[in-house]
Amino acid sequence: GAVVSQHPSRVICKSGTSVKIECRSLDFQATTMFWYRQFPKQSLMLMATSNEGSKATYEQGVEKDKFLINHASLTLSTLTVTSAHPEDSSFYICSANGQGGTYEQYFGPGTRLTVT
Amino acid sequence: DAKTTQPPSMDCAEGRAANLPCNHSTISGNEYVYWYRQIHSQGPQYIIHGLKNNETNEMASLIITEDRKSSTLILPHATLRDTAVYYCIVRYSGGGADGLTFGKGTHLIIQP
Repeated sequence: GAVVSQHPSRVICKSGTSVKIECRSLDFQATTMFWYRQFPKQSLMLMATSNEGSKATYEQGVEKDKFLINHASLTLSTLTVTSAHPEDSSFYICSANGQGGTYEQYFGPGTRLTVT
Repeated sequence: DAKTTQPPSMDCAEGRAANLPCNHSTISGNEYVYWYRQIHSQGPQYIIHGLKNNETNEMASLIITEDRKSSTLILPHATLRDTAVYYCIVRYSGGGADGLTFGKGTHLIIQP
């Protein structure tokens, strides 16, 4: 299957600072990537859809000015959490569609964000 | 996308077949059944998907009832590494531009 990587795997930052998370498709091109968030003991929640060369589409309730998404190339999408607060502490996971039109999604390993 | 219902948890003995059920009674004709799993603190992993025929790959088998209102994921010889939360997701066949809607899934625990 296709490989998706994320960097960093863990990050701790102070309240009020910004954090950038990278998502890369390693062996395929992804015109569309997705960002999810998962709080402890909960399921994944879709935050936004990242489209190469255009603006991201955000789910209802997700602040686009707080969670900045950039998809500048076919293999890289970034999520920047701006002015992070402790309530933004979560597990952030990206995914990309597989090739061939079958639409199974391949997920990155996730990034654990802790805001102190 | 149609809603799915899964038991919250299941136990299975190591080496035995694990059968995970999923109800999707409101599934429509152009919706596929997808299965993913998430091992603790990792990203989800794609397992298998199908439309109406039974499917098998190196990881699992997917059995879909004739009326397509339910399905069963079968892990033929469960190992301790199969302990994870398993998600059954129904998705429109042309939904490549759409993210996935995860329910609560089934927490499968493989017992030694």
